[in-house]
Amino acid sequence: DTGVSQDPRHKITKRGQNVTFRCDPISEHNRLYWYRQTLGQGPEFLTYFQNEAQLEKSRLLSDRFSAERPKGSFSTLEIQRTEQGDSAMYLCASSSGTEEQYFGPGTRLTVT
Amino acid sequence: AQKITQTQPGMFVQEKEAVTLDCTYDTSDQSYGLFWYKQPSSGEMIFLIYQGSYDEQNATEGRYSLNFQKARKSANLVISASQLGDSAMYFCAMREVQRGGNKLTFGGGTRVLVKP
Repeated sequence: DTGVSQDPRHKITKRGQNVTFRCDPISEHNRLYWYRQTLGQGPEFLTYFQNEAQLEKSRLLSDRFSAERPKGSFSTLEIQRTEQGDSAMYLCASSSGTEEQYFGPGTRLTVT
Repeated sequence: AQKITQTQPGMFVQEKEAVTLDCTYDTSDQSYGLFWYKQPSSGEMIFLIYQGSYDEQNATEGRYSLNFQKARKSANLVISASQLGDSAMYFCAMREVQRGGNKLTFGGGTRVLVKP
């Protein structure tokens, strides 16, 4: 399978803990996106990378959130000092510069 | 103002019938793209169809077609010959090339349930 993959698929953590998610894009795609989706809503943009450069960040991305794409391949999204409001599905997508973004299966985060 | 509005929270459709999902958008960009994605209960967002703002023809992909009415700022999705596997959430999204960069802005979605 050469689609976008995300790990882990599910994460349960206690409030105040740090969590890190990984996204592996489609191999030839140089653009990578992170979105967050809460229950009953559409996804909301968090951040965008072109190769290793983080080119766009949403106001939703507070100081507790950081994303990296060190070698222009996989990306990580870290949330520090998690809060209950961080509970959501975190979606990663990639594209090659054409219009379509292809999404991974998501990481569902539950903060207790 | 909402950039993408999907007014139908849920719809029932009979198997083999066609269904139209409404989407209106708001942008002042001249260059933009409109997308429809399907999200089954498994959670993965599946790309269905794309329409560019300068495309004169309505986009079609198999059983999916996009009814693009630029002056009305609407981009409705038509699914023909509905199948049970079409039961899912459907999201309309927009990319504003000038103002929005590369991100997609999504609507709130429409849940479709296909009845046998």
